[in-house]
Amino acid sequence: AQSVAQPEDQVNVAEGNPLTVKCTYSVSGNPYLFWYVQYPNRGLQFLLKYITGDNLVKGSYGFEAEFNKSQTSFHLKKPSALVSDSALYFCAVRDIGSGAGSYQLTFGKGTKLSVIP
Amino acid sequence: EAGVTQSPTHLIKTRGQQATLRCSPISGHTSVYWYQQALGLGLQFLLWYDEGEERNRGNFPPRFSGRQFPNYSSELNVNALELEDSALYLCASSSPGLSYEQYFGPGTRLTVT
Repeated sequence: AQSVAQPEDQVNVAEGNPLTVKCTYSVSGNPYLFWYVQYPNRGLQFLLKYITGDNLVKGSYGFEAEFNKSQTSFHLKKPSALVSDSALYFCAVRDIGSGAGSYQLTFGKGTKLSVIP
Repeated sequence: EAGVTQSPTHLIKTRGQQATLRCSPISGHTSVYWYQQALGLGLQFLLWYDEGEERNRGNFPPRFSGRQFPNYSSELNVNALELEDSALYLCASSSPGLSYEQYFGPGTRLTVT
């Protein structure tokens, strides 16, 4: 079974400061990892993904994430936070080794990011 | 390119009634996924349809069902509604061979009173 943990329900950061939203995962095989963002009353927007290759993945809106296999982590980062980054962030995993039953994504419970002006 | 669309935006039902939610995937996408986002529970996988067939379902009772039509649009039906079914229902689609890239619609907010 695959699972995702986002240990922080909320992260507060001052505008202009770097931000990190944490994610750890558990899979039996190799993971596909994703970050999505959800603005109020909206669906999920894709930010970035890790499939294979370079452990540092760059995505939309200046976000990046680092895949760390030994720590089973995929933390989301941005060098300088904007007030407009305030939203709900979801980490998701798909275990590529578990056959057809694993095609759906397993999501963390989400982390609310608040960027303070 | 049009994104994933869902209808209705909001749906209010009373306990015991049935609800029908609809999803149109991105053109060329053949897989549709349904997720439930209930307050405090994150996103829970409901159903996956591909090429008209149900491929997998999450840990939900049988009163949650659906189907996929020949044009790849999909319908989610929830029978015998319960108060705890109140949630945002999100639909996502993916293209053949790229099942890991799921694109989400704006969701349908279902309220059961």
